[in-house]
Amino acid sequence: AQTVTQSQPEMSVQEAETVTLSCTYDTSESDYYLFWYKQPPSRQMILVIRQEAYKQQNATENRFSVNFQKAAKSFSLKISDSQLGDAAMYFCALRTSGTYKYIFGTGTRLKVLA
Amino acid sequence: GAVVSQHPSWVICKSGTSVKIECRSLDFQATTMFWYRQFPKQSLMLMATSNEGSKATYEQGVEKDKFLINHASLTLSTLTVTSAHPEDSSFYICSARPPGTSADTQYFGPGTRLTVL
Repeated sequence: AQTVTQSQPEMSVQEAETVTLSCTYDTSESDYYLFWYKQPPSRQMILVIRQEAYKQQNATENRFSVNFQKAAKSFSLKISDSQLGDAAMYFCALRTSGTYKYIFGTGTRLKVLA
Repeated sequence: GAVVSQHPSWVICKSGTSVKIECRSLDFQATTMFWYRQFPKQSLMLMATSNEGSKATYEQGVEKDKFLINHASLTLSTLTVTSAHPEDSSFYICSARPPGTSADTQYFGPGTRLTVL
């Protein structure tokens, strides 16, 4: 069975500071993809960043970067220079190659303090 | 960018009634749409995969007779919750994938909150 675990139900960060959201996963597949999705109060899911498991280089998208530790099955999200608009639920997700199915974690609610 | 809409955004119904939720891709054709369910403070759980012109594929544990999915056109998929009960109260989210795109190209709708009294 595949699982995604987010152990931090809620995190807070001061505006302009850096925060790291944790995610661990488990899969027996060798070819898979990892994602971080953002769900703002509007509830519309937005893709933040994507990582292919076969790539050793950590993905980066502007202020968002990941720390992908394949052996440890860890996939954390770092948000630099946090902005008020970053406040949202963040979901870590796993998808194995050849399928459309996402396995989502339970989410981390990020609060950004002015 | 691609937009997916859902209607209604929220609905309240009485126990025993049926409720239809629409998912539309507004500016692209979607051969595949997905229906998720999200309980409060929980993650999204895939319910079913809807393919245009064919029967939906349901995830294990999802009652296909209770959650009827119809993907009649390339821009519309509907989820009907039949004989709704309070335990069906949840947030239902759809996503759509344009043809010829990678499996990761999924655009999510804003969700529909269903409350069954």
